[in-house]
Amino acid sequence: KAGVTQTPRYLIKTRGQQVTLSCSPISGHRSVSWYQQTPGQGLQFLFEYFSETQRNKGNFPGRFSGRQFSNSRSEMNVSTLELGDSALYLCASFDGNYGYTFGSGTRLTVV
Amino acid sequence: AQSVTQLGSHVSVSEGALVLLRCNYSSSVPPYLFWYVQYPNQGLQLLLKYTSAATLVKGINGFEAEFKKSETSFHLTKPSAHMSDAAEYFCAVTPGLPFWGANSKLTFGKGITLSVRP
Repeated sequence: KAGVTQTPRYLIKTRGQQVTLSCSPISGHRSVSWYQQTPGQGLQFLFEYFSETQRNKGNFPGRFSGRQFSNSRSEMNVSTLELGDSALYLCASFDGNYGYTFGSGTRLTVV
Repeated sequence: AQSVTQLGSHVSVSEGALVLLRCNYSSSVPPYLFWYVQYPNQGLQLLLKYTSAATLVKGINGFEAEFKKSETSFHLTKPSAHMSDAAEYFCAVTPGLPFWGANSKLTFGKGITLSVRP
């Protein structure tokens, strides 16, 4: 059974640009959540989607947005990139057995 | 609100020695608790989870953890460390699970880097 797939694995963007990251959950999982990991702040919750509805949002500025499609695939978008947005972005899908399975992440570098 | 405290940022043990990684949590409701491991340039891999069933939870790779409500702790142990255990370990708590419509965000501790000496 395929795991959580995140694309791309690595990304380099310039300040002011925008970026879209993609996450395909495990087949059949309807819940997808996103986390940002940085050395300074650790792992922080961005948002959670369940059956195309955003149910939770973390404490991030409005430049961070996301959506979920009918096939449960999710995207997150960051507009007007800042240097501080450089991070590993992790996506997780909920496996129904009280566990969250994480993808390998997208490493975003803003220069 | 939920919070997780992982004391110390780095633990070093000898191969074959006991591994003990501490995790204390704060939760306003009965929590669900998780331990994850992260290897360099990879995502998080679930080691084990506590979901209000047995208080002693066995996970993968010989790890186990005991939920102690009175101490608000969920420490991770492994009787004998292996070189391949060297990684970063995260404890996480959530008050609910997605399919119940409750707040289900994971709150993570800062992580502990485990080094294993030959």
